[in-house]
Amino acid sequence: AQSVAQPEDQVNVAEGNPLTVKCTYSVSGNPYLFWYVQYPNRGLQFLLKYITGDNLVKGSYGFEAEFNKSQTSFHLKKPSALVSDSALYFCAVRDDTDKLIFGTGTRLQVFP
Amino acid sequence: DGGITQSPKYLFRKEGQNVTLSCEQNLNHDAMYWYRQDPGQGLRLIYYSQIVNDFQKGDIAEGYSVSREKKESFPLTVTSAQKNPTAFYLCASSLGLAIILNEQFFGPGTRLTVL
Repeated sequence: AQSVAQPEDQVNVAEGNPLTVKCTYSVSGNPYLFWYVQYPNRGLQFLLKYITGDNLVKGSYGFEAEFNKSQTSFHLKKPSALVSDSALYFCAVRDDTDKLIFGTGTRLQVFP
Repeated sequence: DGGITQSPKYLFRKEGQNVTLSCEQNLNHDAMYWYRQDPGQGLRLIYYSQIVNDFQKGDIAEGYSVSREKKESFPLTVTSAQKNPTAFYLCASSLGLAIILNEQFFGPGTRLTVL
């Protein structure tokens, strides 16, 4: 069965520093991977997705994600963090029934 | 939150009562979804609907019911059979079901607390 794992409950980073939010996946076929962000008491917003092609995917708000097939990872990155990036981030994978399977989420805290 | 409204934002109910959560979208999307979010567990799919008058169970449908009488509306009823209903409920919609082609847009959510 398809699954994603987000090994860190929380990531802390200083404003201006690069950030990485980790995600690893397990799929039986081609992986279709997604990142969403959730601000407090709000719904999720789509950031980016990997379907095929270039391993570096660029998304909204300056975020990008690197697909690594050998390490089965899809880490979310940003070169310079902003305080406003503080939120809950979810990695997700498409399952066999064409539905999204979400990870448990990683809370990103960016300190001024 | 892209044209999807959920009401109310906060809902309190006594144990044993059924409660209905509203979800409306004006995006002309065919597919709609209900997710449940619990701390440390991510989102789990309750029900989804591909088209009017059709819906399917997701991973945790027990204790819930839905209807899809209109394209723009997909209400969720949390029944007294749901063992642990206190959670944050998110509604979403997309043009179609194919995940890789159709981005899901989420509503702002309803936080249900059962006392």
